[in-house]
Amino acid sequence: EVQLVESGGGLVQPGRSLRLSCAASGFNFEDYVMHWVRQAPGKGLEWVSGITWNSDTIGYADSVKGRFTISRDNAKNSLYLQLNSLRPEDTALYFCAKDRDPDMTYIDYWGQGTLVTVSS
Amino acid sequence: SYELTQPPSVSVSPGQTARITCSGDALPKNYAYWYQQKSGQAPVLVIYEDSKRPSGIPERFSGSSSGTMATLTISGAQMEDEADYYCYSTDSGVNYGGVFGGGTKLTVL
Repeated sequence: EVQLVESGGGLVQPGRSLRLSCAASGFNFEDYVMHWVRQAPGKGLEWVSGITWNSDTIGYADSVKGRFTISRDNAKNSLYLQLNSLRPEDTALYFCAKDRDPDMTYIDYWGQGTLVTVSS
Repeated sequence: SYELTQPPSVSVSPGQTARITCSGDALPKNYAYWYQQKSGQAPVLVIYEDSKRPSGIPERFSGSSSGTMATLTISGAQMEDEADYYCYSTDSGVNYGGVFGGGTKLTVL
């Protein structure tokens, strides 16, 4: 059974940093693209970032480019998202998600999310 | 990056056909995918590669795509189909990434 468990969310002041983690199990983690998707309270889904199986290709939404960094450790079956220079508009539930393929196609599994709240 | 545009809301009576559209300039060369999200839950894929239905998704869900518009059709909508629906597409080229439409709230009443 595929499981994605996010952690690392919390309350943080504007301008500060946070690191999210996602522990994956139930599939060969190193074989798939992985994503971060977020959802602000009462708002829609927003794709944040994706990373290929070997970290060769990485993409970011324009809204986070230059502030967020995605990474993965295939030996630890883990995905990460470093959030720097946080803004109130980054407040959201952050989902870790698995792609169907080694190259970007679509998301077939989601975690339950970790909540990030940016407020003074 | 590119954008996908959906209507904010669609309403139908039970048993009627609901159609939710998604428009985007990149859709002629990229597949559209559709996710259903009920309150407090993670999204569930209901259509992939424009028109394919994953196992376990009822036959009343179908998809199509033509030019810059993709459409999710729910034939004979049921109360349990009331949810938010998002189209999604990807670009594995120069602008590597994914994009969601703004979402459509389907009301069945």
